[in-house]
Amino acid sequence: KAGVTQTPRYLIKTRGQQVTLSCSPISGHRSVSWYQQTPGQGLQFLFEYFSETQRNKGNFPGRFSGRQFSNSRSEMNVSTLELGDSALYLCASSLGGRAAGELFFGEGSRLTVL
Amino acid sequence: GENVEQHPSTLSVQEGDSAVIKCTYSDSASNYFPWYKQELGKRPQLIIDIRSNVGEKKDQRIAVTLNKTAKHFSLHITETQPEDSAVYFCAASLNDYKLSFGAGTTVTVRA
Repeated sequence: KAGVTQTPRYLIKTRGQQVTLSCSPISGHRSVSWYQQTPGQGLQFLFEYFSETQRNKGNFPGRFSGRQFSNSRSEMNVSTLELGDSALYLCASSLGGRAAGELFFGEGSRLTVL
Repeated sequence: GENVEQHPSTLSVQEGDSAVIKCTYSDSASNYFPWYKQELGKRPQLIIDIRSNVGEKKDQRIAVTLNKTAKHFSLHITETQPEDSAVYFCAASLNDYKLSFGAGTTVTVRA
């Protein structure tokens, strides 16, 4: 079956702009998580959505937001971009049961802020 | 929140030798500990996970041990092969989907 699909794969923005990233999970997966990956920092948790509701949230400023649609597809938005927002943004889907389980990651959206 | 520290940051081993990566976590309530492998330019993939009711788990050449009292867990790779070269991430969570990842260990297997 198809894996997790993220679009766009690469994008370049300038400071102050906003960006929207999209994630299509594996069919049947109801949980979508977002992570920011930067060199040396590993993966930083942004938020997790399940059945269109934000179930978990990380320690990122309010400029970072997300949502999930009824078909489980998810988007994340970053407003007022800063240079430090340059990173690989990874989306991961999972079945989303009560107990934590395997995350299936997409290939990521690489954001460069100039 | 949960804080996960991972050591070493880089590890170079001779093919056939063993590799060990260690992680510590801060929240004693954490009870789910997965390990992900990320090859260069690829997406992270789960290689093994362990829950707090188990002390050790093995899958072929990979094993994970958990010491809840000391709040640390380790990944052991035996008989390393070139395809084991990658970045390995440990993570911890309160059995939910809010995973706290370590900073990663870059493993290089020398032929």
